Amino acid sequence: KAGVTQTPRYLIKTRGQQVTLSCSPISGHRSVSWYQQTPGQGLQFLFEYFSETQRNKGNFPGRFSGRQFSNSRSEMNVSTLELGDSALYLCASSPGQTYSGNTIYFGEGSWLTVV
Amino acid sequence: QQQVKQSPQSLIVQKGGISIINCAYENTAFDYFPWYQQFPGKGPALLIAIRPDVSEKKEGRFTISFNKSAKQFSLHIMDSQPGDSATYFCAASGTGANNLFFGTGTRLTVIP
Repeated sequence: KAGVTQTPRYLIKTRGQQVTLSCSPISGHRSVSWYQQTPGQGLQFLFEYFSETQRNKGNFPGRFSGRQFSNSRSEMNVSTLELGDSALYLCASSPGQTYSGNTIYFGEGSWLTVV
Repeated sequence: QQQVKQSPQSLIVQKGGISIINCAYENTAFDYFPWYQQFPGKGPALLIAIRPDVSEKKEGRFTISFNKSAKQFSLHIMDSQPGDSATYFCAASGTGANNLFFGTGTRLTVIP
């Protein structure tokens, strides 16, 4: 069974630009979450989607957005990039049938550098 | 405010020794406590997880001990090996939520 797939793996963007990251969850998983990992703030939850609906949201500004498609694939977008957005962005998938304590599997992440 | 506090920040253990990492939480709504292992350049990989209805769970060389009254849980790695050298994160999630709150991580180094 294929794991969580994220693309692109590495990218460099200029401050003020926008970026879109893509995630394909494990086959059969309907919940997709996004996390930001930085040395200073650690791993922080961005948002979760289930059946194309945002089910939960972390404490990030509105520049961070996401969506989920009918095949459970998800994208996240960051607009007006700032230097502080440089991070590893991790996608995670879980079966999601119950809205509590599901086993969550992570992808290898997309490394974003903002210059 | 850090919802899950993890210690130590770094840990050096001799091969064959026991590695112990501790975590504490305040939110009594948390009911799922996983541990993740992360190697450089990789995403976190689920190692082992526990729910508060049991006090201990063992999988191979990895054991979670859970103390509900103290709101603490810990990871024990028995017979630590150099291949265990990685960063370990504890996490927690609660009833009615599918997002994880992570500890700050422990960088484990196992020396031969």
